[in-house]
Amino acid sequence: DSGVTQTPKHLITATGQRVTLRCSPRSGDLSVYWYQQSLDQGLQFLIQYYNGEERAKGNILERFSAQQFPDLHSELNLSSLELGDSALYFCASSAWTGNGYTFGSGTRLTVV
Amino acid sequence: AQKITQTQPGMFVQEKEAVTLDCTYDTSDQSYGLFWYKQPSSGEMIFLIYQGSYDEQNATEGRYSLNFQKARKSANLVISASQLGDSAMYFCAMTYNAGGTSYGKLTFGQGTILTVHP
Repeated sequence: DSGVTQTPKHLITATGQRVTLRCSPRSGDLSVYWYQQSLDQGLQFLIQYYNGEERAKGNILERFSAQQFPDLHSELNLSSLELGDSALYFCASSAWTGNGYTFGSGTRLTVV
Repeated sequence: AQKITQTQPGMFVQEKEAVTLDCTYDTSDQSYGLFWYKQPSSGEMIFLIYQGSYDEQNATEGRYSLNFQKARKSANLVISASQLGDSAMYFCAMTYNAGGTSYGKLTFGQGTILTVHP
């Protein structure tokens, strides 16, 4: 167990639907990062939160949104899903100091 | 902007042999961190090794070592005494450093699939 918990592990949904992916960071880590891994795009950074505030944005679609709550868990919301959104979504966390990025086991999203 | 290039889509190695996985990077930052991750078929991302741009010695972690050549902007991963369990996808990644601490997003390469033959 890496200490970063992602739920659910697998998700199958239909096009046009909305899903929420959840991430609980490692204890003490204030930063949460979301990444998307797909066959054609590789590993892409989506968004970072630090202590509840958005810190950096990457190639995140407007249909996607995220937030980090006071207890530091984070949710990634994906709406109006398309077939191309099928991917492995990773959450990672890090402390303010140190070089440790810890990844969760990922949520595998399949859009049918 | 930072960029990572892994030019080997796939590599094969015999069990117990050493293998080098290539990684070159591009950045205008003076201070940065370089990482290698392993992703087995189960999908999780496993941290292997880290090198800071100002570290004078190459990083080592057990059977893993990072051959850091700053002038050439390369950070190759060397796996010694390969094991069947080393078969996986390997990613090189980098991020910014400030005051010796890495922070911010990781930029990943496209990955190299390593297959270890018995």
